[in-house]
Amino acid sequence: QVQLVESGGGVVQPGRSLRLSCAASGFTFSNYAMHWVRQAPGKGLEWVAVIWYDGSNKYYADSVKGRLTISRDNSKNTLYLQMNSLRAEDTAVYYCARDALDYPIGWYFDLWGRGTLVTVSS
Amino acid sequence: QSALTQPASVSGSPGQSITISCTGTSSDVGGYNYVSWYQQHPGKAPKLMIYDVSNRPSGVPDRFSGSKSGNTASLTISGLQAEDEADYYCSSYTSSSTLVFGGGTKLTVL
Repeated sequence: QVQLVESGGGVVQPGRSLRLSCAASGFTFSNYAMHWVRQAPGKGLEWVAVIWYDGSNKYYADSVKGRLTISRDNSKNTLYLQMNSLRAEDTAVYYCARDALDYPIGWYFDLWGRGTLVTVSS
Repeated sequence: QSALTQPASVSGSPGQSITISCTGTSSDVGGYNYVSWYQQHPGKAPKLMIYDVSNRPSGVPDRFSGSKSGNTASLTISGLQAEDEADYYCSSYTSSSTLVFGGGTKLTVL
């Protein structure tokens, strides 16, 4: 069925790195822009990054620019988030989300994964 | 990239109507018609309720409606039902080619 499944979360020490994955199935992954959205425990949603359907464009929230990198492998139907120099404030559930349109993108999400929890703590 | 401003909480009785506001600036809400609304129940992923200010995805009841005036967008839920109790978030495209969410509003159905 149509779904997104995140993986790769866990407990990591401050300053270390982690890579999240999001496996897509049931739809033509290469047709859609994809986003990462995070939610700190008990807090609201925060948009993290977007990547165009072909990887040609990427945009980031100021809070993660230079530390988190979004990428995708359309041959594997997988979205990634490389997280470097992690900080306590990066602790959150990380969701991948499908943009509802192909191009131009719609900047709204019609399909979400269940999320993966990243905890940054010593 | 300051978060859009939403009331922390709203409440209403079954059958009543409520409105949640979402205030931004001319660089986001006021400048584009890319405002969306999401519903999130505890422990669940968000669900799209409204996109492009006032459009409803298929499957979303017509009790949910959206609008915008200037820098403020609004979500109205009419005929409140118990299952509408959830957190609601607005979002908007910004002039920096990014997306910003509101801080979220907890809806309580009395």
